[in-house]
Amino acid sequence: QKEVEQNSGPLSVPEGAIASLNCTYSDRGSQSFFWYRQYSGKSPELIMFIYSNGDKEDGRFTAQLNKASQYVSLLIRDSQPSDSATYLCAVNPDAGNNRKLIWGLGTSLAVNP
Amino acid sequence: NAGVMQNPRHLVRRRGQEARLRCSPMKGHSHVYWYRQLPEEGLKFMVYLQKENIIDESGMPKERFSAEFPKEGPSILRIQQVVRGDSAAYFCASSSQGAPLHFGNGTRLTVT
Repeated sequence: QKEVEQNSGPLSVPEGAIASLNCTYSDRGSQSFFWYRQYSGKSPELIMFIYSNGDKEDGRFTAQLNKASQYVSLLIRDSQPSDSATYLCAVNPDAGNNRKLIWGLGTSLAVNP
Repeated sequence: NAGVMQNPRHLVRRRGQEARLRCSPMKGHSHVYWYRQLPEEGLKFMVYLQKENIIDESGMPKERFSAEFPKEGPSILRIQQVVRGDSAAYFCASSSQGAPLHFGNGTRLTVT
């Protein structure tokens, strides 16, 4: 069974620090990878997506993908209290077909002022 | 550009009643997905639709649940004869072909 694993946390970091969130997946053939942020009681919000090995940066966020090791991570630089949320990792084993997305249960991040 | 619109935001139904959840995708998106999320659980895929077609309903219970995405109007997720176990947050997401999903604000269904 295809799985996506995340440490549930909570991950606690001080304001201004780098938060590192990790995700591993079981399907070696997975094609695309997504990070979503979900505040309590709210909907998931797309943060980053990455398709190729290596790093992808967008503002304070960097996604890192290592297909050989089957993990994808999200780094948040200069963490702010407003970054406190649950971060969901989603993996798509099918390049053109979003209905196959496999979701992790999320990592809870707390940024302390 | 309006995002994915879901309504109602909160819905309370008594056991045995019908729940009807609506979703209007983002402009330009023709793919609609419905997910269910229970407390402390992950997002569970229910159904994937394109206009007038159900493409994949493998995540939807065989009984009491149905979905449609008509040529005109929003996508509808219908739950007949609701039971307490149906209480959850139901999220709709939309996308264009192969693009990332964008989620609506969800409908919180409470069955009393």
